[in-house]
Amino acid sequence: KAGVTQTPRYLIKTRGQQVTLSCSPISGHRSVSWYQQTPGQGLQFLFEYFSETQRNKGNFPGRFSGRQFSNSRSEMNVSTLELGDSALYLCASSLAGTGNSPLHFGNGTRLTVT
Amino acid sequence: GESVGLHLPTLSVQEGDNSIINCAYSNSASDYFIWYKQESGKGPQFIIDIRSNMDKRQGQRVTVLLNKTVKHLSLQIAATQPGDSAVYFCAEALKGQGGKLIFGQGTELSVKP
Repeated sequence: KAGVTQTPRYLIKTRGQQVTLSCSPISGHRSVSWYQQTPGQGLQFLFEYFSETQRNKGNFPGRFSGRQFSNSRSEMNVSTLELGDSALYLCASSLAGTGNSPLHFGNGTRLTVT
Repeated sequence: GESVGLHLPTLSVQEGDNSIINCAYSNSASDYFIWYKQESGKGPQFIIDIRSNMDKRQGQRVTVLLNKTVKHLSLQIAATQPGDSAVYFCAEALKGQGGKLIFGQGTELSVKP
């Protein structure tokens, strides 16, 4: 079974621009979560989607948004990019995301903001 | 954020020895706990999980111990191999919020051949 796929793998953007990252979950997984990983803050939860609805949200500004499609694929968008948004963005999927099944992560999208 | 630290704790072990990686979790109400291994350039890889109604769970070469009294989690790796070298993260979640993991800062495991 194919794992979680994230595209693109690397991205370089300029401050003020916006970016969209894509995630394809493991087949059959209906929950998709997004995380930001930086050396200073570690892994931090952004949001979780289940059946096209945002089920949980972390403590990030409104510039960070996401959505989930009917096939469970998900995208996240960051608008008005800031230098501090440079990070590895990780997507994870699970069967239900209710605490009964583990999250499986993709290899991430490395975003660099210049 | 909940996870801080520019410098990861490091554990250095000899190949063949057993490794123990410790983690203090933050919320006594957390119901679900999970360990991940992250290698350079890759996303976190699931190792083993445990629910709060258990205090021990074993997998292949790995054991997770949960002490709710002191909010402590540990990962034991038997017969550590060079391929085990990576950063290891513990994470916790509240009941019903398994998609929202709170991660520890991570521990870097270095295995010397």
